Amino acid sequence: DADVTQTPRNRITKTGKRIMLECSQTKGHDRMYWYRQDPGLGLRLIYYSFDVKDINKGEISDGYSVSRQAQAKFSLSLESAIPNQTALYFCATSAGRQETQYFGPGTRLLVL
Amino acid sequence: QKEVEQDPGPLSVPEGAIVSLNCTYSNSAFQYFMWYRQYSRKGPELLMYTYSSGNKEDGRFTAQVDKSSKYISLFIRDSQPSDSATYLCAMRSPQGAQKLVFGQGTRLTINP
Repeated sequence: DADVTQTPRNRITKTGKRIMLECSQTKGHDRMYWYRQDPGLGLRLIYYSFDVKDINKGEISDGYSVSRQAQAKFSLSLESAIPNQTALYFCATSAGRQETQYFGPGTRLLVL
Repeated sequence: QKEVEQDPGPLSVPEGAIVSLNCTYSNSAFQYFMWYRQYSRKGPELLMYTYSSGNKEDGRFTAQVDKSSKYISLFIRDSQPSDSATYLCAMRSPQGAQKLVFGQGTRLTINP
């Protein structure tokens, strides 16, 4: 059973549409992260949350928003999608001050 | 200049070869160093973790950190086709609030 799940796994949308990517975890971790991965650029942090009431911007938060609905759920929204948001999106979790981040399987997003 | 630089490859070697993967970094505050492995269409998973300088060995894998040169390496001995993946280095400072900075990733193929 997957500990970190992401839905949808693949999504095609059009410029200007609002979309939401969802992440759920059963690991009981308090910390959750959203990254995007682009060829040649590696993983870049979009937002992170250390608990339900703590949301922080990462390296590339412009054009994105997040919601931490519960300890186990962390959603990423693109308010008005644009083509350069086409990328692979990963959710990750970690526990307290432990170094290991556990990644979900990713969502492949294409914005036309 | 990126904080972390990693040659994206691709790198192709025969089975049984010793593989050397490397990253350089510019932020002298980095103290925690990690290597993640990412199989195709999967999320990254932690492979090795090192604190500060020195070597760490785990089976066929050795992680090396040289803080004086701001250079980290991952060595894979007796490489196997199952080692074919993208390898990402990641690092953070003690003040980094667990925000990891990733390299671009090196795509490795081990040929039978």
